Amino acid sequence: GNSVTQMEGPVTLSEEAFLTINCTYTATGYPSLFWYVQYPGEGLQLLLKATKADDKGSNKGFEATYRKETTSFHLEKGSVQVSDSAVYFCALSPKNSGNTPLVFGKGTRLSVIA
Amino acid sequence: ETGVTQSPTHLIKTRGQQVTLRCSSQSGHNTVSWYQQALGQGPQFIFQYYREEENGRGNFPPRFSGLQFPNYSSELNVNALELDDSALYLCASSWGQNQPQHFGDGTRLSIL
Repeated sequence: GNSVTQMEGPVTLSEEAFLTINCTYTATGYPSLFWYVQYPGEGLQLLLKATKADDKGSNKGFEATYRKETTSFHLEKGSVQVSDSAVYFCALSPKNSGNTPLVFGKGTRLSVIA
Repeated sequence: ETGVTQSPTHLIKTRGQQVTLRCSSQSGHNTVSWYQQALGQGPQFIFQYYREEENGRGNFPPRFSGLQFPNYSSELNVNALELDDSALYLCASSWGQNQPQHFGDGTRLSIL
């Protein structure tokens, strides 16, 4: 079946530190991969995506590269800000089904302190 | 453009009751998916509607049901509520079944 495993939080960093949140997946075929962010009291916002191997998704200073050989999609940012504090979800969408339900990891809470 | 809107924002029910949650999809989007997010967990797929037909269902019992209307808005109905149904219910819309999904802010359902 399809599943996503991401590193457990919480992750606490100082402002301007480097961020990595690990994500690995199990899927049949070649799914699309996503990172979503959830701010307190809000729904999920799409942060970035990649649809095929070696694609790099990027947005707002965040990046993630689709690695087929390691089935990974790790999220990185070179210099975090206090405003990046949120819960981050890695997700996949299988391509070989008529519908495309997102399969999510459990989320990683990031706290950035000034 | 108007994003995905859900109502109500919060709801409190007791065990055995029934509840209806509503979702207005983003303008131009014809596909709606519903997810349940328990506290501290990632969202779990409930079902998806495409052009008013159910188009896929996750591992949820039949007491979870839904509708999609001609304007592509949607309802999630849950009968015989149980304590474990307490969660944030998220609606997501997309244009087509293989496009990125855009989420609303959710309805927080508490069962007493």
